Amino acid sequence: QQQVKQSPQSLIVQKGGISIINCAYENTAFDYFPWYQQFPGKGPALLIAIRPDVSEKKEGRFTISFNKSAKQFSLHIMDSQPGDSATYFCAASWSGGGADGLTFGKGTHLIIQP
Amino acid sequence: KAGVTQTPRYLIKTRGQQVTLSCSPISGHRSVSWYQQTPGQGLQFLFEYFSETQRNKGNFPGRFSGRQFSNSRSEMNVSTLELGDSALYLCASSLMGGMNTEAFFGQGTRLTVV
Repeated sequence: QQQVKQSPQSLIVQKGGISIINCAYENTAFDYFPWYQQFPGKGPALLIAIRPDVSEKKEGRFTISFNKSAKQFSLHIMDSQPGDSATYFCAASWSGGGADGLTFGKGTHLIIQP
Repeated sequence: KAGVTQTPRYLIKTRGQQVTLSCSPISGHRSVSWYQQTPGQGLQFLFEYFSETQRNKGNFPGRFSGRQFSNSRSEMNVSTLELGDSALYLCASSLMGGMNTEAFFGQGTRLTVV
């Protein structure tokens, strides 16, 4: 199964700081890269997504940076708030679909300290 | 607009039994995907249904099956339950399906096999 490697596994950031989570993928056919946020007891919620024809996408305090040549993408959370404390998952998929569906990273447990 | 609804929220079953989980997608969404989430393996794709047809399937044994009805509601069945099947089962719906379109998750069904 194609992999998406996510780091770090856990992250502690001070309130107001920038949280950065990184992901790397192997399958060059991937053409859709979403990020999901999950709170305890809830299902993952779509935060923001990017396609490889752009290098950056910003929505409010959340930005995805995408480096096609390096096969890497990252999530930046600006002005991090305690309410951002959650587990974040990067994912990837390709138009052809097939057996992998959305391939998820293992997740990053983010804690924002007040 | 109602989100993705999964029932039941919690289930406790005995090894060897079978279980059926239900998912009602967002109104107008025709694609339903199922995922298994465990602490060790993370989020793994089970299968996707679109217009009552299984379109994609992940790498799970045949004990895991599903179906979709004409109103897009979906059910997932696991037969001959094993302890390792204990997990959070998540359903995601999207408008037209395909692996690179926005997918919205339900809160999941927490299955415990004893």
